[in-house]
Formats: sequence, structure tokens, C-alpha cells
Amino acid sequence: NAGVTQTPKFQVLKTGQSMTLQCAQDMNHNSMYWYRQDPGMGLRLIYYSASEGTTDKGEVPNGYNVSRLNKREFSLRLESAAPSQTSVYFCASRTAPGLAGGPYNEQFFGPGTRLTVL
Amino acid sequence: AQSVTQLGSHVSVSEGALVLLRCNYSSSVPPYLFWYVQYPNQGLQLLLKYTSAATLVKGINGFEAEFKKSETSFHLTKPSAHMSDAAEYFCAVQFSGGSNYKLTFGKGTLLTVNP
Repeated sequence: NAGVTQTPKFQVLKTGQSMTLQCAQDMNHNSMYWYRQDPGMGLRLIYYSASEGTTDKGEVPNGYNVSRLNKREFSLRLESAAPSQTSVYFCASRTAPGLAGGPYNEQFFGPGTRLTVL
Repeated sequence: AQSVTQLGSHVSVSEGALVLLRCNYSSSVPPYLFWYVQYPNQGLQLLLKYTSAATLVKGINGFEAEFKKSETSFHLTKPSAHMSDAAEYFCAVQFSGGSNYKLTFGKGTLLTVNP
């Protein structure tokens, strides 16, 4: 049981380049999330997918797109990277609302992707 | 507006001393509360969560937190700090309402433990 996995672990891009961050979970979770972490800012939600087939914007969606490929996988795409997108990106997942534990169920986090945009 | 505040971006304690990390939230309805820990260059790991079964919640590694509705607080404590507790700690709040269970994170508190 690997939990939440993310690839790549590190990435350096030049301004204007594009890339996709991959995330997969093997816990049969319905909901998945993408966050960015910047010093002194905590974690901020970029996009989330409450269930397979749905995606919604979070707090800081500009410059990003997402795809919920299937129940396991949720990718984050930067179409034209900017230096302001230099950050550590975390993917998370959790059980569906309404299931056992309901709102008390925590989110499980991946190890992160450290992205630098030059 | 609903918000989460962690007082003190950096807390420094001596090994063996009491650890107190503060978290306050702003909401008219009690939310769902979590504390996460992040060790250097790692992801976030759940430390403990409030489930309404008891106001004093015990977590991993000897940490505990007390939910105080009247103070809208969920402070994290540990009686005796250990060097291995050095990490960044995040209070996270899931505000009531909605079906997507989004978390709002505080800005984090970096805990340093001095020998």
C-alpha cells in the first residue's frame, strides 16, 4: 500500500515551458486535492476533485489546469510556467463524504514535488 | 469570514520543556479540526484530529490538543519536547457546510528544539 504517490520529486523549468505533475492513490479514495506550499503561507488549495469526473477551483487556480483521469489519478498541468509558480506542490486524497467517519476523515498527503521556474 | 490563525510562525523550546502551539479559528459553527506535522523535505502527516467524542484529543508522539469552543481554539501541546519533534506544524480546519470537505490551513509554526 503506497498511499499517495507523486512524480516527479523535483523539476526545473524555464519560463513559458509546460509540464504535468502526476498524482496517484491506492486507497480507493473518492476525493483528491492539489495544494501549493510557499514559505510563510501554509498550504493553499489549487484545485480539487470531489469524485471521479468532477473538478473544481480552489483558492489559487490561476495558471493551472487539472485532470481527474480515473479514480486513482489526478494530474496538475502548468501550461506556461511562470517564476511565481515556483513552489512545493502536494497532492492529497480522502474518503468520500457520507462514508464512515464522514467529515472527520483526514486527508492523506503525498511526498510533494519541488518545482523551480527560472 | 472563516479563517485559521496560528500564533507564532516560529517557536523555540529546550529539550524537555513544554511545547505549546496555538491555533484559533473564526467560525460561528464549530468546524472539524486537525493538526498535521511536516518533517523537513517530507509530506504532511496527521498528528491528531478532533472528532467531538472528547474535547481533549490525544495524538501520535505524545502530542495532544484541547478543543475550546468558547475560545474558538485548538491548541497543540506536549509536556516534554524531544529533539525529534523539530518540524513544522500546521493547524487545518474543515469548516462546516458543503460536501467537498476542503481544508483551510494555518500558515504553520516551525518548532525548534534546543539541546
